[in-house]
Amino acid sequence: EPEVTQTPSHQVTQMGQEVILRCVPISNHLYFYWYRQILGQKVEFLVSFYNNEISEKSEIFDDQFSVERPDGSNFTLKIRSTKLEDSAMYFCASRLDRAQETQYFGPGTRLLVL
Amino acid sequence: KNEVEQSPQNLTAQEGEFITINCSYSVGISALHWLQQHPGGGIVSLFMLSSGKKKHGRLIATINIQEKHSSLHITASHPRDSAVYICAVRSGGPDKLIFGTGTRLQVFP
Repeated sequence: EPEVTQTPSHQVTQMGQEVILRCVPISNHLYFYWYRQILGQKVEFLVSFYNNEISEKSEIFDDQFSVERPDGSNFTLKIRSTKLEDSAMYFCASRLDRAQETQYFGPGTRLLVL
Repeated sequence: KNEVEQSPQNLTAQEGEFITINCSYSVGISALHWLQQHPGGGIVSLFMLSSGKKKHGRLIATINIQEKHSSLHITASHPRDSAVYICAVRSGGPDKLIFGTGTRLQVFP
C-alpha cells in the first residue's frame, strides 16, 4: 500500500542552523501538509500546499519557515534559523484531491534544537 | 480556551469493554476527523464526518452538528486499540485542521 515517507527520522541541530525536512507524499496525491507536535502537546497545522503554492498557513508558519516541491516528488519544509522552541515532531501528510478528505500521514521527523 | 476539547484525557479499560471518547468544539466546522496516534508517534486517519454516523469494523463515530459534539465508540475493545485518539475539525479555511489534545486509551488484557 502506498505510504508517505519522511527523512530523516531524527535530526539534532544547533540553534540558528538551517534544517530541511523531507517528505515524499503518495504519488498521485495533490494536496500536501506540514504539521508539528511539540512533546506532550497537541498536533498543530503549519501549512498546506496545492498546485505548487501555499494554499493556507497558520500563524506559526512565519518567515523562518518555507515549503517547496522541488522535483514533483519531494515536499520539503525548511526552517531557516532554528530556535529552541522549534524542537518538535514534524509530520507531513498528503491527500488525493479536494473530494477526498482523508489525509495520509508520514511517520514524522523528530527535530531537536540544542 | 481550546477550540476543540476532548474528554476524557486518559482512559483505561479492560479488554472487551465498550469505549466512548467525546469531542466538543466551539467553532463552526465543515468537517470533523478522528485520528489515531500510535505509541511510536505515527498518525492514522480513522474517520471524516460532516453529519450523522460512520462505522468501520469495531469503530463507530457520530456527530451532532447542532450540539457541536462528536463521539468515537470502540466496541469489544482490545489491547491493540491502545493509542491516543485525536479529534480534529476543519474550520474557516479549506485546509486548516484544528486539533484536540487527544485521549490516551489503554486497554488491558
